[in-house]
Amino acid sequence: GAGVSQSPSNKVTEKGKDVELRCDPISGHTALYWYRQRLGQGLEFLIYFQGNSAPDKSGLPSDRFSAERTGESVSTLTIQRTQQEDSAVYLCASSLALRRFTYNEQFFGPGTRLTVL
Amino acid sequence: AQKITQTQPGMFVQEKEAVTLDCTYDTSDQSYGLFWYKQPSSGEMIFLIYQGSYDEQNATEGRYSLNFQKARKSANLVISASQLGDSAMYFCAMREDTGTASKLTFGTGTRLQVTL
Repeated sequence: GAGVSQSPSNKVTEKGKDVELRCDPISGHTALYWYRQRLGQGLEFLIYFQGNSAPDKSGLPSDRFSAERTGESVSTLTIQRTQQEDSAVYLCASSLALRRFTYNEQFFGPGTRLTVL
Repeated sequence: AQKITQTQPGMFVQEKEAVTLDCTYDTSDQSYGLFWYKQPSSGEMIFLIYQGSYDEQNATEGRYSLNFQKARKSANLVISASQLGDSAMYFCAMREDTGTASKLTFGTGTRLQVTL
């Protein structure tokens, strides 16, 4: 079946512009996650959606970052007034609903490489 | 304080040899999960293996095994019979099963290079 897809695969933008990144999770996956990976570093958690629950936004680095998800489908991550430090690969992942004591593998998309000039 | 520590920024191993990638973690929770992911140069994250904190036996998946030492809070990945295709970044991650906690906390990774 289809995996997690993300678009665009690459985005180059000028400092100060807004960007929107899109994630299509695996069908049936109620949980969706956004991560950021700066060059040569590990993944930083940004935000998590689980069904209709309030999202966990604890990882968003500033109020320039926001994300939306409609139901259990597509999610968009928006970065307003981009800065050069926002340059990174933004990875989306999805999984089945989180349940304690169970293994909930997160399936990752290929990422969007964002370059802010 | 870092929750996941990977102290080896880079490792070399000869083809067909075994290699251990270190991972230590810090949590006060009793329930958590530990994951290893592989990230080749193409960038995708590939799940390798999972260990639950209550699992009594070490997890194994083919050539991958997880050496879980709960008292030491370590979850080292062992790759047996290394192959050239194993060359990649390897990330250890932890999920804490408290409340609505769901995110994975990743270490900084270890770059593994398999040589002939």
